[in-house]
Amino acid sequence: EAQVTQNPRYLITVTGKKLTVTCSQNMNHEYMSWYRQDPGLGLRQIYYSMNVEVTDKGDVPEGYKVSRKEKRNFPLILESPSPNQTSLYFCASSAGRKGLGEQFFGPGTRLTVL
Amino acid sequence: AQSVTQLDSHVSVSEGTPVLLRCNYSSSYSPSLFWYVQHPNKGLQLLLKYTSAATLVKGINGFEAEFKKSETSFHLTKPSAHMSDAAEYFCVVTGNQFYFGTGTSLTVIP
Repeated sequence: EAQVTQNPRYLITVTGKKLTVTCSQNMNHEYMSWYRQDPGLGLRQIYYSMNVEVTDKGDVPEGYKVSRKEKRNFPLILESPSPNQTSLYFCASSAGRKGLGEQFFGPGTRLTVL
Repeated sequence: AQSVTQLDSHVSVSEGTPVLLRCNYSSSYSPSLFWYVQHPNKGLQLLLKYTSAATLVKGINGFEAEFKKSETSFHLTKPSAHMSDAAEYFCVVTGNQFYFGTGTSLTVIP
C-alpha cells in the first residue's frame, strides 16, 4: 500500500531534550516536506526537499533541522525543543521534482513540549 | 510570490443544501491549485486539483471547483451537503513550495 508513515504519532517531551520525528514514504517520490499545523494558521511549511541531499527552508524553519540521505526518508530534528514548538506535524511527499503534483500526507505527529 | 486566502474561517450549512467554500489565490505564473479535506483527528486527503487543464474540476464525494483566472479564484462547491462533509478544508497553491490557506471549518446542521 502506498503510504507515508510517521513515528511517533504522539510525543510529550521537555524543553531542551533533542528529538527526532521520522518520516518514510514508499512511493519513490522525489519531493518531501514537513509542515506544522496550528489552530487558525493552517499548515505552514517547515522544510522541503526536492531530492536526496537537497533541502530548503520553508516558511517557519527556525528551531528545526532536516536531512535527506535517502530518497524514502526525511526525518525532522528538534535539537532543543521549546514550548512554542508544541504542534501537530505532518510529513508529505509528492512525485515530481518541484512537487507540483498531489501531496500524500502522513497521519501526523502530535508533539507537546513542556 | 504565491499566496492563498480562504475568505471564510467557518461555514455552516443545513444538510441537503449547497456548499460554497471560497478561495482566492495570488500567483506570479500559472499555478496548480488543490483542495484538501481534513476530518477531525485525521490526516489530509486530496479532494481535487487543477493543473491547467479543464477549468471546472470534479473531485471526490461530489465536490467540484472552478478555476477563474480573471477573478483569481478557485471556489469549492457541492450541490447538496451531507453530514459526513463536516470537516476542515484547505485551499493550496503551488510554486516551488505548497502554500496553504488558513482553512475553512464546515459544519453541517441536520
